[in-house]
Amino acid sequence: KAGVTQTPRYLIKTRGQQVTLSCSPISGHRSVSWYQQTPGQGLQFLFEYFSETQRNKGNFPGRFSGRQFSNSRSEMNVSTLELGDSALYLCASSSPDWDRGGDTQYFGPGTRLTVL
Amino acid sequence: AQSVTQLDSQVPVFEEAPVELRCNYSSSVSVYLFWYVQYPNQGLQLLLKYLSGSTLVKGINGFEAEFNKSQTSFHLRKPSVHISDTAEYFCAVSDRRGGADGLTFGKGTHLIIQP
Repeated sequence: KAGVTQTPRYLIKTRGQQVTLSCSPISGHRSVSWYQQTPGQGLQFLFEYFSETQRNKGNFPGRFSGRQFSNSRSEMNVSTLELGDSALYLCASSSPDWDRGGDTQYFGPGTRLTVL
Repeated sequence: AQSVTQLDSQVPVFEEAPVELRCNYSSSVSVYLFWYVQYPNQGLQLLLKYLSGSTLVKGINGFEAEFNKSQTSFHLRKPSVHISDTAEYFCAVSDRRGGADGLTFGKGTHLIIQP
């Protein structure tokens, strides 16, 4: 089974621009979560999508948004980029049991975003 | 709300020596516990997880962890480390409410294996 894939792997943008990152979950997984990883703040939960609906959101400003498609693929968008948005953005998908309170999130390799 | 504390930011160990990476959590509800490993420039790989049942959990690459509810700990151990174990290790917790709040991670422990 193919793992979680994320595109692109590396991205360089300038302040004020917007960016869209893509995530394809493991086949059969319906839940997709996004995390931001920075040296200062560590790993922080951004949001989770399940069956095309945002189920929960972490403590991030509205510039961070996402969506999920009917095939469970997900995108996240960051508008009006700031220098502090430079980070590794990780996507994770989870098995159908996750919505019943169990099982595991499997992570992709991440997208490294650099904001200049 | 829940939180995870990894007590050591960096642990140097000689090759073939045993190692323990410490993790404590706090939560007002029952939790699921995980250890993930991150190699340089890569995503997170699941090492092991505790959902229920036996408190001693065995994972990949010879790692194991023990869930201690009274001490709210989930320490990771390996009896003999290899140079390839050099990586960042993250402890994570999720409540049992359908995972809706995502995983809460500790700050990570950098395991450094010295030859």
